[in-house]
This record gives sequence, C-alpha cells and structure tokens, in this order.
Amino acid sequence: DVKVTQSSRYLVKRTGEKVFLECVQDMDHENMFWYRQDPGLGLRLIYFSYDVKMKEKGDIPEGYSVSREKKERFSLILESASTNQTSMYLCASSFNGAGDTQYFGPGTRLTVL
Amino acid sequence: KQEVTQIPAALSVPEGENLVLNCSFTDSAIYNLQWFRQDPGKGLTSLLLIQSSQREQTSGRLNASLDKSSGRSTLYIAASQPGDSATYLCAVSGTSYGKLTFGQGTILTVHP
Repeated sequence: DVKVTQSSRYLVKRTGEKVFLECVQDMDHENMFWYRQDPGLGLRLIYFSYDVKMKEKGDIPEGYSVSREKKERFSLILESASTNQTSMYLCASSFNGAGDTQYFGPGTRLTVL
Repeated sequence: KQEVTQIPAALSVPEGENLVLNCSFTDSAIYNLQWFRQDPGKGLTSLLLIQSSQREQTSGRLNASLDKSSGRSTLYIAASQPGDSATYLCAVSGTSYGKLTFGQGTILTVHP
C-alpha cells in the first residue's frame, strides 16, 4: 500500500514564525503536491514538484515556498506565518504523469495565533 | 480557468437507497477525473479514476461515469450504508503533471 505521511497532525504557531510542514512518501513517486483546504473554498493547490529540486507554483503560492531535496520528501515552508494561513494542509503524491491516482496524507491542521 | 461544480452540496438518505452524485467541469480538455472520499478531519481516499478516453469505472457498489464532451461525471452508489457517510469530492486533471482542480464536495449522510 502507498503510504504518505505528514510530520504533524496538529500544529499551533505564532504570527511571524517560520513554519515547516514535511511530507514523506514511500512509493518512489515522481510527483508530489501541497494543497490547503478551507471551508467554502475547497482544496486549492499551493505548489507541486515533478522531480527532485523541481517545483512549480500552483494556484495560491503567495506566502509559501517548498523544498524537494530528496525524491521521497517534499517540504512546505511558511516564511512568516500569518493568521490567514490557518488551514488544513494536505500533501499528495502520484507515480508519474496525468493518468495516475494521487495518494493523500492524513493532513496537518495548522493554527496561527 | 477550469471550474468544477458538485451538486448537491449535501444529501441525506435512508440506508439502502441508491444515489447519484453529480460533478460538472467547464473545460473538457482533461486527462482524467477522480472521485475521492474524505472522512471528517482526515485526508482523501481515492475511490475511482476515469481516464479521458474511458466512459466509466466500477468498484464494488460504486460506479462512476464520464461524459467529457458535456463536461459531466456522476458517481452512483448502490445500496447505501451508514459507513458511506462522508464528503465526496470530484477532481479533474488538465495537465501532464496531474495537477488537480477540485469541486467543493457533496456531504453525504446515510442514516440507519
């Protein structure tokens, strides 16, 4: 079974802090994705990566950056957390190409105070 | 820009009913369409994936159809059970990297 894990289920941070959310997949997938999910807005893509050290902006990249130094790990970085970044963050991975299922992690609920 | 709409937003049915969830999308140039299930506070579980060249996919009591030209998909759930209660999300992929655009979801409640 594909396993996508995220470093924390719940996280509370203060405004202005630098926040790291980590995602690890164990199936040698090429593609990895970060989404955020908000009531009334649904899931929106923040960034994705199709190879090590390669990244592409999604629909809402402002205020975020990402890092993919190893194939199995994709990190989302909030350089200076703000209250409007309080959300559920979901990581996903897929093997390769558009024809493949995305597998999701359990999510991290981030609260910024 | 691709937009995905799901109808209804919420549905409550008694156990045993057959039901249909609807999904529509504005740009028919898609690679595939996926249906996911999400339980409260949890991640997403993939239910069915339909490639753009396919018309339908089946898994157990679930059947999903795709009409790409009209921009529509339906998820049919047969003989619903309380354990089917969850939010069902439809998503389309329009790029070779598999970027997904999601609908808002249908919240399904199946009561005993």
